[in-house]
Amino acid sequence: GQNIDQPTEMTATEGAIVQINCTYQTSGFNGLFWYQQHAGEAPTFLSYNVLDGLEEKGRFSSFLSRSKGYSYLLLKELQMKDSASYLCAVRDPQGQNFVFGPGTRLSVLP
Amino acid sequence: DVKVTQSSRYLVKRTGEKVFLECVQDMDHENMFWYRQDPGLGLRLIYFSYDVKMKEKGDIPEGYSVSREKKERFSLILESASTNQTSMYLCASSLGLQGRTDTQYFGPGTRLTVL
Repeated sequence: GQNIDQPTEMTATEGAIVQINCTYQTSGFNGLFWYQQHAGEAPTFLSYNVLDGLEEKGRFSSFLSRSKGYSYLLLKELQMKDSASYLCAVRDPQGQNFVFGPGTRLSVLP
Repeated sequence: DVKVTQSSRYLVKRTGEKVFLECVQDMDHENMFWYRQDPGLGLRLIYFSYDVKMKEKGDIPEGYSVSREKKERFSLILESASTNQTSMYLCASSLGLQGRTDTQYFGPGTRLTVL
């Protein structure tokens, strides 16, 4: 089976940096995705990691350590529009589906 | 841009009714998925399909069935709706290849309330 854990809620200040952690325990691994979901909207793709290390994409970066079953999403220069839920998802190596974590609701305060 | 559309944004049904949720994607994606999203539980996979007329059970298939007669359309069916099926239903599609191209594209969601 697969288990993915994320903090439920986080709060940060506009302009700051925030790190959202994701830990996973899976029978296999074939890639990790991060999605952003604003309230009442569909999730949208943010980043993808399959090898260990950091992937940078503008203000957002994502890190993966396969040996530790750990990933984080780093958001820099926070803006009010970054207030959203952030979903971590691991791809099942046996098939074509994904397992999602519970999501982290981030609130950015002025 | 990939577009995934769902037939309704909001739906209210009564217990015991048969409910159809439709999803259409316009990018010739191989894979399509149905999830439900509940507070504190995240996205849970109901069914997915990797080809026309093919389907696989996800984590919570009980009480649901699916149909994929055409590549672009994936339907979720609640044979006899129950109150515990009140939820947000999200459809997604992906190219079906390995790696980054396996990114899922989501529809806007259908908020179903069963009374």
